[in-house]
Amino acid sequence: DSGVTQTPKHLITATGQRVTLRCSPRSGDLSVYWYQQSLDQGLQFLIQYYNGEERAKGNILERFSAQQFPDLHSELNLSSLELGDSALYFCASSVVGLADRYNEQFFGPGTRLTVL
Amino acid sequence: GQQVMQIPQYQHVQEGEDFTTYCNSSTTLSNIQWYKQRPGGHPVFLIQLVKSGEVKKQKRLTFQFGEAKKNSSLHITATQTTDVGTYFCAGLANAGNNRKLIWGLGTSLAVNP
Repeated sequence: DSGVTQTPKHLITATGQRVTLRCSPRSGDLSVYWYQQSLDQGLQFLIQYYNGEERAKGNILERFSAQQFPDLHSELNLSSLELGDSALYFCASSVVGLADRYNEQFFGPGTRLTVL
Repeated sequence: GQQVMQIPQYQHVQEGEDFTTYCNSSTTLSNIQWYKQRPGGHPVFLIQLVKSGEVKKQKRLTFQFGEAKKNSSLHITATQTTDVGTYFCAGLANAGNNRKLIWGLGTSLAVNP
């Protein structure tokens, strides 16, 4: 158990819909990262937040957005869903931001999203 | 753009054989991390390398960071069935204000008992 929690575990929805994935980082961790993992794309970094502010951006689509709240939990919003958005979405947390040397990331169990 | 290439994509070995996966970056990295993801699980941090030419060992696992800080390798001696999984490298690139980890696509290791 990494200490990072993600809800829900599974999500099945239809194309065109909008969903929200939730992540609670480990106690004390200020950084939250979101990743998308699909069979043919490996682990794709989407976005990072540090203490409530966006810190780094990866291959995040415009239909996707995220935020980190004052209590440090984070939500990833996926809208206008397409079949290709079906994937495993991981959240990870670390003590510090990427500018620092010790940035081991702890991953949550993931949310499996299926778009029908 | 910045890329981290990881090879091989798949490796199938007999238990007891050695295994090596390589990461090559198009740019110099500040540091590199290695993670392991068991089937059905989530990535778990293994190690971080920071210094040029650094070598670190964890039991049967040996990690190296190249002198130019552009490549890295993970070597497993005498594989066991518990080594099955996908091994990812992730390099921290110096990209101004948008520093981020660049992930390799992973090497999936299968071990025949």
